Order: sequence, then structure tokens, then C-alpha cells
Amino acid sequence: GNSVTQMEGPVTLSEEAFLTINCTYTATGYPSLFWYVQYPGEGLQLLLKATKADDKGSNKGFEATYRKETTSFHLEKGSVQVSDSAVYFCALSRSGAGSYQLTFGKGTKLSVIP
Amino acid sequence: GAGVSQSPRYKVAKRGQDVALRCDPISGHVSLFWYQQALGQGPEFLTYFQNEAQLDKSGLPSDRFFAERPEGSVSTLKIQRTQQEDSAVYLCASSLGGGPGRGDTQYFGPGTRLTVL
Repeated sequence: GNSVTQMEGPVTLSEEAFLTINCTYTATGYPSLFWYVQYPGEGLQLLLKATKADDKGSNKGFEATYRKETTSFHLEKGSVQVSDSAVYFCALSRSGAGSYQLTFGKGTKLSVIP
Repeated sequence: GAGVSQSPRYKVAKRGQDVALRCDPISGHVSLFWYQQALGQGPEFLTYFQNEAQLDKSGLPSDRFFAERPEGSVSTLKIQRTQQEDSAVYLCASSLGGGPGRGDTQYFGPGTRLTVL
């Protein structure tokens, strides 16, 4: 079945540091890939997505590239801010007809300190 | 515009009680999903509706869990005879239609935190 593995947290970085959160997946076919973010006290929000191989999703300075050869979708940001402190979830969905649920990783908690 | 809303936000139940959790999706969204999120884990799929039709309920953990969406908008997740292992945050999400496999985005509600004593 489908599964997502992302790096364990928590991750603590200083402001303006470079961020990488690793995510690899197992899926049949060609899934769509997502990063969701959950800020403290808020619901899950879509951060970025990519629907086919070599696509790059980007938003708010975050980027992730769909790498089919390594089955990866690592999240990166060049310079993190305190406001980026949140829990980040990597997720995938099947792209065929029928069921469309998201399969999530366990989440990575990021804390950015001034 | 209004996002996905869920009520109640918090629910405490005694073991054995029945509970009902409500989800109001974004107006016009065809697809509706329920997920269960245990503490420190990612959300796990429970069930999926397209309009009023429940197309997938493969994630429901037992026959104590039941979901409905009778008019294709508001949905209710019901848990009968609650157990301690049911304690979790229950998330509802809606999307325009066609599913995330076509790049469709799911919008999540704030969740209902259920605690079973």
C-alpha cells in the first residue's frame, strides 16, 4: 500500500538558517505529492503540491521537487523565520479513479528560535 | 469566505457513550473526507463522500463508526459505545471535486478533539 516516511523531529533551527525536511514515499502508479503545515492552534493548511515527476511546488519561500527516481519530495527553505514554527506533514494521494484520500507522514515539528 | 467548520471543537465522553461530530464543508464542495489524528501522528483516512454518496469507508476502524452526508453538504461522524482508543482529533476536509489525484486541494477544518474517559 501507499506510505510516506518523513524525518523525525523535533527540528530546532536559528532564524535565517537553511531548512530541509526529508520525505520519501511508496506508492503504486504516479501519485500527487503535498506538504501541509499546521501552525499552533490552527488547522492543516496546504503549503505546496506537485502532481507529476520533476514538478516543483513552491509557496512562502518553501520549495519541494517531485523526484520519481528517488521517490522523494523533500521540503526546503533558504532562510527560516520564527513564524515558520509549526508541524509539517508530507502527504500523497493516488491519481487514479476511485478513492482520493491523502496518506500522511507522521509530521515533523519545527521550532525556529530568534 | 467561510472555510470548513467543525463542531464541537472539544468533546469529552465517558466510555460507552455515543458521540456525534459535525462538519460543515465549504459551500459547493462536492468531496468530503474524514480523518482521525492520534496524538503525535499524521491524520489517517476514515471515509470519503462525493455529494451524498459514501464512496469509500475502508478506513473506518470498526462498525461502531458511522458517517453520513444525507443532503450532500453537512456531514456527521457518529461513534457508538466510545472506547478510550477512540480518543483523537477528528478532522474533516472538503474539496471542489475530482479528488486530489487531479491536483484538487483539500481544505481542512480545525478538528474536533475527542477525549474518552
